[in-house]
Amino acid sequence: AQKVTQAQTEISVVEKEDVTLDCVYETRDTTYYLFWYKQPPSGELVFLIRRNSFDEQNEISGRYSWNFQKSTSSFNFTITASQVVDSAVYFCALRMNTGFQKLVFGTGTRLLVSP
Amino acid sequence: EPEVTQTPSHQVTQMGQEVILRCVPISNHLYFYWYRQILGQKVEFLVSFYNNEISEKSEIFDDQFSVERPDGSNFTLKIRSTKLEDSAMYFCASSEERGYTGELFFGEGSRLTVL
Repeated sequence: AQKVTQAQTEISVVEKEDVTLDCVYETRDTTYYLFWYKQPPSGELVFLIRRNSFDEQNEISGRYSWNFQKSTSSFNFTITASQVVDSAVYFCALRMNTGFQKLVFGTGTRLLVSP
Repeated sequence: EPEVTQTPSHQVTQMGQEVILRCVPISNHLYFYWYRQILGQKVEFLVSFYNNEISEKSEIFDDQFSVERPDGSNFTLKIRSTKLEDSAMYFCASSEERGYTGELFFGEGSRLTVL
């Protein structure tokens, strides 16, 4: 079975602090895809990143970076110099190579960035 | 930029009533999905739809639920007789392809409140 665990339910930081959101996944498949989505207070799901299981290169996009480690089945997300606008719920998700794009989501981490 | 649109943004209904949630996927997309998020919980897969039929559904998607693509543009989710526990945010999504390149695009969600 596939499963995504986000052990941190809520994190509070002060603006400009760095913060890392943890994601641990379980799957028996050798090919799979990992995602991060942001859900701001307005409720929509905003796609942040997709990573496939063969690409363990870390990625940086502005203040966002992702650390994918297959050995520990983790796909952690770091926000550098956090801003108030980063306040949201962040979901990690897993998708198999087969099937019709069914995403398995974690329970989300609520990030609160205060000024 | 093309987007998935959902209506209504919020619907309040009485228990036992029928509800139809509407979605307009991105025009050249072929795969359609509904996901559900009970308040404060994770996003859960309901159903995927391709070539005018359901391709996969979860245990949540019981006989009270149905989906339809009544014309070339709309994709609907019907709940026949709503229950209190159907109160949730319902997300529609679409993708152009099934594989790795088939990124899932989510709508902004329809919040359903069952009283």
